[in-house]
This record gives sequence, structure tokens and C-alpha cells, in this order.
Amino acid sequence: EVQLVESGGGLVQPGASLKLSCVASGFTFSDYWMSWVRQTPGKTMEWIGDIKYDGSYTNYAPSLKNRFTISRDNAKSTLYLQMSNVRSEDTATYYCTIPSLGIPFDYWGQGVMVTVSS
Amino acid sequence: DVVLTQTPPTSSATIGQSVSISCRSSQSLLDSDGNTYLYWYLQRPSQSPQLLIYLVSKLGSGVPNRFSGSGSGTDFTLKISGVEAEDLGVYYCVQGTHDPYTFGAGTKLELK
Repeated sequence: EVQLVESGGGLVQPGASLKLSCVASGFTFSDYWMSWVRQTPGKTMEWIGDIKYDGSYTNYAPSLKNRFTISRDNAKSTLYLQMSNVRSEDTATYYCTIPSLGIPFDYWGQGVMVTVSS
Repeated sequence: DVVLTQTPPTSSATIGQSVSISCRSSQSLLDSDGNTYLYWYLQRPSQSPQLLIYLVSKLGSGVPNRFSGSGSGTDFTLKISGVEAEDLGVYYCVQGTHDPYTFGAGTKLELK
């Protein structure tokens, strides 16, 4: 059974940095591209970016690429999202997702909440 | 970025009623490879989104056939033929033809 478990969220001050993790199981992690998607409290969904199965290529939403970095550790079956200089508008639930053939976001984690506030 | 406009924002239905949700794109979603990368997701309360429809009209694995998708170019529709209680939640259309992926604002399906 595919499982994606995000962690690392919480309350963070504006301007700070935060690193989210997503531990994967139930499939061969190193065979798959992975994505991060976020959902604001108002339910707006936004694709953050993705990373190639071997970590050699990343692609980001233009509005986020200067502050967010996606990485992975295939030996640990773990996906990361490094967030820097966070702003109040980064307050959201962050999901990691994996694709399947023809489907960009097929499996989703349960999400991890990040609140940016002083 | 491609803007996806979903209507209505909220839909109220009784059990057994058929409902349709529209998703209109600011650009054609027909890709140069001949595919149209338009998807529909349902997010039930307190759950993560789940795939319903991919490539406009293909049913996701395990998705009941009361769900159907149609459309082309810039206009797409999700239809539920006979709403059931488990269908309540927020429906999102998503496009993958143009980088970056973008989502519609969602349509909330409620019980009347």
C-alpha cells in the first residue's frame, strides 16, 4: 500500500526557514518523480514544484522558485521541501504527491500544516 | 499561468439528483501531442484530494461510473449522474498542458 507521511510543519515566524519531509513507502521511491502541492486555509490549491526520480532535475512554480527548494534522499525514501523567508501567504497545508501513468497527482499524503505568524 | 474558472462555486443537490460542474480555461488545453491534460479531483471533508477523471474523460481507478467528464479546448464539464452522500465535498479541475500546473478554485457540493 502506498503511503506518504509529511512532517515538519508548525508555527513559524515571518522571515524564518522551515524544512518539510515526506516519507514514502509501499512503492519504489527512486522510480518516481515527486511533487509538492499546497492548500491555503481558503482552500486554494497551488502546485509548488516537482523533482525527477534521481534528483537531477527540479521544476518550480515561478512565484515560488526563489524561496522554495525541493530535494530527495532516495536511500531514505524521503522527499523534502525547504522553505526560506516564509511569509504569511505561505500559511497552508502542504501535501506530497506521486504521479502514475498519465496522472500528475495520483497519491497524496495526509498533509502537514504550516502557519506563518508572529 | 493558465487560469481555470469553475462554476458554480457551490452546488446544492439532493441524493439521486444529477449535477454538472463547469471548468473553463483561459487557454486551450489541447497539447501539441494531441492529448488534453485536464483532470478532476474530489476532496471530501478532512481528506486529501483524490483523482476522479484524467485526460478529460477517463475514469480513475475505482471511481464509480456515475462520474463522467467531457469537453475540449477551453470548456470542460464534470457530471455526476445520481449524487450519493459520499460525493459531497469540493471538486477541483486541474490542467497539466501548460507549465505550471494550475487548479480551479473549486466547487463545493452540498446536500440540499
